[in-house]
Order: sequence, then C-alpha cells, then structure tokens
Amino acid sequence: DQQVKQNSPSLSVQEGRISILNCDYTNSMFDYFLWYKKYPAEGPTFLISISSIKDKNEDGRFTVFLNKSAKHLSLHIVPSQPGDSAVYFCAASEGNSGYSTLTFGKGTMLLVSP
Amino acid sequence: IAGITQAPTSQILAAGRRMTLRCTQDMRHNAMYWYRQDLGLGLRLIHYSNTAGTTGKGEVPDGYSVSRANTDDFPLTLASAVPSQTSVYFCASSEGLNQPQHFGDGTRLSIL
Repeated sequence: DQQVKQNSPSLSVQEGRISILNCDYTNSMFDYFLWYKKYPAEGPTFLISISSIKDKNEDGRFTVFLNKSAKHLSLHIVPSQPGDSAVYFCAASEGNSGYSTLTFGKGTMLLVSP
Repeated sequence: IAGITQAPTSQILAAGRRMTLRCTQDMRHNAMYWYRQDLGLGLRLIHYSNTAGTTGKGEVPDGYSVSRANTDDFPLTLASAVPSQTSVYFCASSEGLNQPQHFGDGTRLSIL
C-alpha cells in the first residue's frame, strides 16, 4: 500500500503563473515532510521541508503547506520559471522511529512553458 | 565540491554476474541510504545505515546486500544479478534524524 501519493503524474504551467503540486499521505506517524526536485540524469535535490509542528514553510519562491487533519501537503512555486521544469518528489519520514528513512511518492513532472 | 560520489555512472551486466555499486560521501554524515528508481514507481529504499557498523533493510532489500565499514563508504552488492534489477540506483546520506538527504547522481544499471 502506497503511503505517500502524488496523484498527478504531470502538470503544465505557463511562466510567471503559480505551480501547485499536491501530495497525500496515509501514515499518521509521519511528522517530517520534504520536497525534492530532480532533473534528468541527476540525483534528486532537496528543495524544502516542513515539520508537523508547522503548517507552512517558505523559502523564496517555494512554499510548502501542511494540512495534518487532511494528511495533505502541497508545494507552491510562485512565479514559475522554465528552469523549474523537473520531476518533483514528495517524501515523508517518521521522526520517532529513531532513524530518518524517507518514503517517497512517485513524482510529478512539472513543465513550465515560456 | 563536497557531496556524494557514485561509481560507475552506468553499467551493462550479464544476468548471474556479481556487481558492486560504490558510494562515497565526504560530508561525514552518519546515515547513508540506497534507493532504486523505476519508471512509475518513484524512489524505493533498498538498504540503509544509521551509522558505521550498522545496516538495515528498506522496502525492497531482496537480492541486495550492503556493508558500512566506515563513515564515508556504503557499497551496494548484487550477488547474482537478475533482469528485474535493471534500474537507476541512487545513494544518499544525511547528517541525522529529520535532516534532508543528499543524493548522488545515480548509477544506471542494465541487466541482460
């Protein structure tokens, strides 16, 4: 059973507009959430994270929102740029497990067109 | 530049052969991980190590083994490769609990 779900395989957005990538999780023990960006032929790159004690974390153009009651998080990119075109992975971990293995979603491919 | 180095970058291997994927980090991170990425399945954890001398199984450990003799190195071994192990393999490391994992650029492995 998939514990971290990214239900949209792809998303197309115009440059300058907002990109919203969604992620749902089923494990209520998850308390730390991350977003990674991945370009072809490269490893995933850490983008932004959020702890379950917060509901929002912002870093420049990137903002992650966490809704614990709905077990849902989203990544907002404003404004979107062509260089943001990549695959975005949502990931989660259980901090209380004593180690920080991540469970990843399947990814959403974002295409930002000029 | 500090980070994670994986070798080889790609490899074609005959089924039944033994193969070791190398991973070295120079960030002195305690924890290291191996993932495989397959189309439509995202990244799945194979094995991990919380600290030198300890290892643990991830979601898809069968057919793979790891060792962690020191902090910097975390090799992944396929004792007898099978075609279903064709994948892109990523090594990662993290400083500790609830810290972001840093990834290498991957090894593309094809088993024929």
